[in-house]
Amino acid sequence: QVQLQESGPGLVKPSEILSLTCAVSGYSISNGYYWGWVRRPPGQGLQWIGLISHSGSTFYNPSLRSRVAISIDLSKNQFSLMLSSVTAADTAIYYCARLRSGYASDFWGRGTLVTVSS
Amino acid sequence: QSALTQPASVSGSPGQSITISCTGTSSDVGGYNYVSWHQQYPGKAPKLMIFDVSKRPSGVSNRFSGSKSANTASLTISGLQAEDEADYYCSSYRTSNTLVFGGGTKLTVL
Repeated sequence: QVQLQESGPGLVKPSEILSLTCAVSGYSISNGYYWGWVRRPPGQGLQWIGLISHSGSTFYNPSLRSRVAISIDLSKNQFSLMLSSVTAADTAIYYCARLRSGYASDFWGRGTLVTVSS
Repeated sequence: QSALTQPASVSGSPGQSITISCTGTSSDVGGYNYVSWHQQYPGKAPKLMIFDVSKRPSGVSNRFSGSKSANTASLTISGLQAEDEADYYCSSYRTSNTLVFGGGTKLTVL
């Protein structure tokens, strides 16, 4: 069974960098699929952040593109998210997920709450 | 990036059928057969219920079905049960290798 687990700081100061990692077990990410990040701000709906292919190609939400970077580490079977210049509006539960062709997310992590506050 | 349009809430009684709509454009819903639906309970991760417009992942009840007409996709839940009460999100592939979600619909089972 494919499992994903997010990790990273739960509190980030405004203007700093939010950094999260998603560890994957039960599947080797080098074998294929896309790997992505989605967030849910308090009281709002899901927002797609971006994704990376197993070969390293990245695609981002246009509204976040200038601040986002997603990378992949095949040796550790994990992928990571970096979001720069964060503000309170970036406070959210961040989920990592595996995406099949057509970008349907078939496996999700449990999510991790990141709060942006001084 | 504008979201897909879903009704904020829908409701139904046990045993009834309900339909949730998801309206986009020809750049997403109408242009590709890559619409998905996710169910999310409070405090839980989303769960994939429908992908590629109308396909069900293994283990998902056949009470859940999906369809599409022009720029609008729909999720139908038949034989409504109390356990179906949750938030439902549509998503679609959008031109230029991006993904967009709907605003979400809260389903209440009366």
